[in-house]
Amino acid sequence: EVQLVESGGGLVQPGRSLRLSCTASGFTFGDYAMSWFRQAPGKGLEWVGFIRSKAYGGTTEYAASVKGRFTISRDDSKSIAYLQMNSLKTEDTAVYYCTRAPVVAVEAGWFDPWGQGTLVTVSS
Amino acid sequence: QSVLTQPPSVSGAPGQRVTISCTGSSSNIGAGYDVHWYQQLPGTAPKLLIYGNSNRPSGVPDRFSGSKSGTSASLAITGLQAEDEADYYCQSYDSSLSGSLVFGGGTKLTVL
Repeated sequence: EVQLVESGGGLVQPGRSLRLSCTASGFTFGDYAMSWFRQAPGKGLEWVGFIRSKAYGGTTEYAASVKGRFTISRDDSKSIAYLQMNSLKTEDTAVYYCTRAPVVAVEAGWFDPWGQGTLVTVSS
Repeated sequence: QSVLTQPPSVSGAPGQRVTISCTGSSSNIGAGYDVHWYQQLPGTAPKLLIYGNSNRPSGVPDRFSGSKSGTSASLAITGLQAEDEADYYCQSYDSSLSGSLVFGGGTKLTVL
């Protein structure tokens, strides 16, 4: 069974950093692009960023709202994708979801499955 | 303000057919980018419902169908069931500015 499990969420003060992990199982992790999304409490879905597989350079794309503050990376040997979040703001408070991207091009991207999500609360 | 526009809510009785619209513009749906749909049951993560405008992943009932025309797309649900009560989101890509994946604001489906 294909499964994604996020971890690392919690309460963090504005301006601080946090790293989320997404542990994958049930598929060959290194063959797939991965993406992160978030959902603020009571709000809709928002794309955060995308990382291609190593076969396509492992390059990344980010939403304008997080570019320069967030970094996505991957460790194919451990089947883990990471979301490093720096200079956190109160508006970054959300449930963060990890997803698998069955396509290479982000502009064609659809995402399946989704992890259960991990809550990040940015507050003093 | 979402880039893609969905009605905030729709409703229908069991067994009925409902549609959810997703309206975009010339920089996203109208530019030829595919539309995908997700279902989010209360308190759970989103689940892929339709990809590539009209394709159903394995396991999704054929009561769910998608279509796209011009700058809009639609999700149709026939034979409405109580377990279909959820939030539904459309997603595409927008090429304006630096490019981004974009969503509709979500539609709450209530089964009466």
